[in-house]
Amino acid sequence: GQQLNQSPQSMFIQEGEDVSMNCTSSSIFNTWLWYKQDPGEGPVLLIALYKAGELTSNGRLTAQFGITRKDSFLNISASIPSDVGIYFCAGPSGGSNYKLTFGKGTLLTVNP
Amino acid sequence: NAGVTQTPKFQVLKTGQSMTLQCAQDMNHNSMYWYRQDPGMGLRLIYYSASEGTTDKGEVPNGYNVSRLNKREFSLRLESAAPSQTSVYFCAGRGPRGRNTEAFFGQGTRLTVV
Repeated sequence: GQQLNQSPQSMFIQEGEDVSMNCTSSSIFNTWLWYKQDPGEGPVLLIALYKAGELTSNGRLTAQFGITRKDSFLNISASIPSDVGIYFCAGPSGGSNYKLTFGKGTLLTVNP
Repeated sequence: NAGVTQTPKFQVLKTGQSMTLQCAQDMNHNSMYWYRQDPGMGLRLIYYSASEGTTDKGEVPNGYNVSRLNKREFSLRLESAAPSQTSVYFCAGRGPRGRNTEAFFGQGTRLTVV
């Protein structure tokens, strides 16, 4: 099946540092979604991207839809302890707008 | 609105037992999904229902069946549970417009098969 490759798998950073993570696919995506999962909870949408080249911000978070449509990036600026969690990229795959596929996630740990 | 509600929240099964995980939404979602989450594996799609009356296989459908009972409810059934099905299961709803809209997740069902 279509795969989304996220990197890095995990990150350990100090509070106040900036964070970058990315997601790549061997196939073209028409939408990129970035989710965050807090421990014991379901994922929650952070940012949605719909056009190649699009750059969208949500507070300290910024995400970009790669020009090739095969990748996307998520940046977090000035990290804080509550940024801890798993970050997932996702998108409709397999030629269907309804089949929503997720990457394996990036586990972020922020040391105060 | 309660959003997406999953029951039960926790369950322990013996190998070979059957059970149904329930999911209900009150957000008028057209599409509904079942995922399983295992350490290091992310969220893997089991089955999805693009609209009421339709269901399709995801990445890991073996050992599961689903029913889209009506627009609100999408259940996941394990006919003969196996230890490999120990996981956290998430239900999600999406739409109503369907196209490119975010998926809303339930709180998860933590299933252990012994």
